[in-house]
Amino acid sequence: EAQVTQNPRYLITVTGKKLTVTCSQNMNHEYMSWYRQDPGLGLRQIYYSMNVEVTDKGDVPEGYKVSRKEKRNFPLILESPSPNQTSLYFCASSWGGSNNEQFFGPGTRLTVL
Amino acid sequence: EDKVVQSPLSLVVHEGDTVTLNCSYEVTNFRSLLWYKQEKKAPTFLFMLTSSGFEKKSGRLSSILDKKELFSILNITATQTGDSAIYLCAGKHSGGSNYKLTFGKGTLLTVNP
Repeated sequence: EAQVTQNPRYLITVTGKKLTVTCSQNMNHEYMSWYRQDPGLGLRQIYYSMNVEVTDKGDVPEGYKVSRKEKRNFPLILESPSPNQTSLYFCASSWGGSNNEQFFGPGTRLTVL
Repeated sequence: EDKVVQSPLSLVVHEGDTVTLNCSYEVTNFRSLLWYKQEKKAPTFLFMLTSSGFEKKSGRLSSILDKKELFSILNITATQTGDSAIYLCAGKHSGGSNYKLTFGKGTLLTVNP
């Protein structure tokens, strides 16, 4: 089944404890992206990647890191999480090019205490 | 600054009503406009429009893009309770070989029986 998977789906952690949220897609998509969704603010793009080893900042990259060492994986790293990073995170992927829909993962609900 | 504005933010209707959701955008190097439906989980793709005046239809849902006036509408006829969701609009825009998605804050549609 074609899908985007994220792990973990739920995470409660404490300030400053490094964490990684994994994202994997099995559709051989070139483009992958991370979003956060907050009430009243909608979906905001954190980072995106056009292909392996090619990443770029979205609208809210501060406090996050990404890497794209393999085409299928695009982990999101929070080196020192803070409470303002409590949010619902979505990973998405699509074929390269400008006219392709994005497929979203199921979401990761992160709480930073 | 790139932005996408949706209206109304929230809408409550009765089953059988017709609703029109609005999306205006100001993004650099616009490529296409996308609509998503989000229930209690990840957004699911509805439409992508790239050409002005081109209407897309899928059952009771239809959408039009006006690239001159920089807006799109999503129309739902004969609404059902299953249409209750957040509807997200996003502008896809590019800079060189990269492209980004900027989302609006969404319209929360509630369809009452």
